Amino acid sequence: DAMVIQNPRYQVTQFGKPVTLSCSQTLNHNVMYWYQQKSSQAPKLLFHYYDKDFNNEADTPDNFQSRRPNTSFCFLDIRSPGLGDAAMYLCATSGRQGQWEQYFGPGTRLTVT
Amino acid sequence: AQSVSQHNHHVILSEAASLELGCNYSYGGTVNLFWYVQYPGQHLQLLLKYFSGDPLVKGIKGFEAEFIKSKFSFNLRKPSVQWSDTAEYFCAVGSYNQGGKLIFGQGTELSVKP
Repeated sequence: DAMVIQNPRYQVTQFGKPVTLSCSQTLNHNVMYWYQQKSSQAPKLLFHYYDKDFNNEADTPDNFQSRRPNTSFCFLDIRSPGLGDAAMYLCATSGRQGQWEQYFGPGTRLTVT
Repeated sequence: AQSVSQHNHHVILSEAASLELGCNYSYGGTVNLFWYVQYPGQHLQLLLKYFSGDPLVKGIKGFEAEFIKSKFSFNLRKPSVQWSDTAEYFCAVGSYNQGGKLIFGQGTELSVKP
């Protein structure tokens, strides 16, 4: 089945230790999104790629970076995680920019110790 | 800035009760509206969507939602809930001036007692 896959499902990192979360998709979608979701809150968009074009949200901290080496994969890098970065990180895809329906992966729960 | 507001943070119902979850948004232009559901331990899944046409849309598992433009609302309904409907429900809005991005409400946790 076509899907959005996130690895790992659970990630524990130490304060200040860089961490990378990965997302892959078999939907061949042009657009990939990264969201941060904290407990009992709405998913918050961090950035998205339309093909190779990177679009950062204005309020996304510089601590968060992303890479998209090809259509299928997208990575979220947190350069120096703080305790406040502990959250669920969701990856989503859509077929094209402006095609509003997004398909979500299961998320990676990040714990910062 | 656009915003999406869900009226209830946590709703508790008994099986067979009727459900209505409220969603209001702040944007006045053309919008696309969604309800997503997140079952315990699972990923966000699309429940239903409205792009245009009939303002009453039907989704999976017996859910429906009504778009009322004058009220900026897109409320989710189900006539008779089941225990398996226990989940978190998110309303989301997309508009052309947001370039395809979705704005999510804060979610409503639904607990259905058997």
